[in-house]
Amino acid sequence: AQRVTQPEKLLSVFKGAPVELKCNYSYSGSPELFWYVQYSRQRLQLLLRHISRESIKGFTADLNKGETSFHLKKPFAQEEDSAMYYCALSKSGGYQKVTFGTGTKLQVIP
Amino acid sequence: GAGVSQTPSNKVTEKGKYVELRCDPISGHTALYWYRQSLGQGPEFLIYFQGTGAADDSGLPNDRFFAVRPEGSVSTLKIQRTERGDSAVYLCASSLRLAGNIDEQFFGPGTRLTVL
Repeated sequence: AQRVTQPEKLLSVFKGAPVELKCNYSYSGSPELFWYVQYSRQRLQLLLRHISRESIKGFTADLNKGETSFHLKKPFAQEEDSAMYYCALSKSGGYQKVTFGTGTKLQVIP
Repeated sequence: GAGVSQTPSNKVTEKGKYVELRCDPISGHTALYWYRQSLGQGPEFLIYFQGTGAADDSGLPNDRFFAVRPEGSVSTLKIQRTERGDSAVYLCASSLRLAGNIDEQFFGPGTRLTVL
């Protein structure tokens, strides 16, 4: 069975401080990993995916297969980063069922 | 263009009643998904449609839940004999579904279902 674990329900950081949102997964195979974000009163939206290897809004995430982790990082937090962040996993190869973690609320303190 | 829309935005019903939740995907998106999000949890996969057919309904919790997409566009999630435990936000998403790729799912605003 596939499982995504986000150990922190809430992460509070000061503006300008580095951010790391933790995500660990269990999956017997080669997964696709994603980060989704939900800003206040907005819809859930894709932030980034590991296969794209891109930086979105200053966020990056590296897939570490040895540690089965996909932590989300940003060197300098901004107030507009405050949101709910969900790590998610899917089987690679075009299969569409996505398993989400329980989410971490990021609060950036001005 | 318009994003994914869901109606109603809120639905309050009594235990044992039947409810229907509607999802209008982005025009041209062939794939449609339903998720359920309980308080304090992440979205939980229910069912995925590719066109008119349910490609994966393994997330439906029991036979009280059923979903259709008869013309490959609008979808309806149907819940029979509702229970208090069905209370949640029901999310719909759609995607373009390019062959062989995981493509971006665009989410609707959700329907908040409350079963009294």
